[in-house]
Amino acid sequence: AQTVTQSQPEMSVQEAETVTLSCTYDTSESDYYLFWYKQPPSRQMILVIRQEAYKQQNATENRFSVNFQKAAKSFSLKISDSQLGDAAMYFCAYRSADSSYKLIFGSGTRLLVRP
Amino acid sequence: EAGVTQFPSHSVIEKGQTVTLRCDPISGHDNLYWYRRVMGKEIKFLLHFVKESKQDESGMPNNRFLAERTGGTYSTLKVQPAELEDSGVYFCASSHRVRAEAFFGQGTRLTVV
Repeated sequence: AQTVTQSQPEMSVQEAETVTLSCTYDTSESDYYLFWYKQPPSRQMILVIRQEAYKQQNATENRFSVNFQKAAKSFSLKISDSQLGDAAMYFCAYRSADSSYKLIFGSGTRLLVRP
Repeated sequence: EAGVTQFPSHSVIEKGQTVTLRCDPISGHDNLYWYRRVMGKEIKFLLHFVKESKQDESGMPNNRFLAERTGGTYSTLKVQPAELEDSGVYFCASSHRVRAEAFFGQGTRLTVV
């Protein structure tokens, strides 16, 4: 069975600085998808970034980028130029590339942004 | 376009009582999912609807949980009777197709005392 591990329960970053959130996963599959979701307090959880395992190029969405290391089964999220609005719970998630629809989540990392 | 909406945002009930959570998916999304986060741990899958049919309820913890989606629109998740370990945040998500992006609601925080 696949598992996702987020080893940082909480992280803190100074506004305008860069922070990296860690995520590792375990799977025997070769094709899958990885995601980072963000949930601000009492608001909807939204998709931040998505990575297809067959793509070597790391995904990037504006200030958000990932470092995808397939052999190491690592999928970290880098937030550049952190803003107060980035404060949220961040969840790393895995999904098989077959017909599976289930997302397998990590336990989350709470990101605090200091003004 | 309205997103996925969940009611209530918070619910505090006593052990043994019944609680019903509601999820309104994005209009036109046939696929609806329930997930749960307990005790600050990982978010876990509960079940999946395609329209009004349950496709997969392998994640439902026990028979105290009953999910319905009458008419293939909104869904309810009833917990009866509630136990202390049912406390957590219940998320609902919907998607247009099975492998399309799933859009999540804000979650319902359930506290059983």
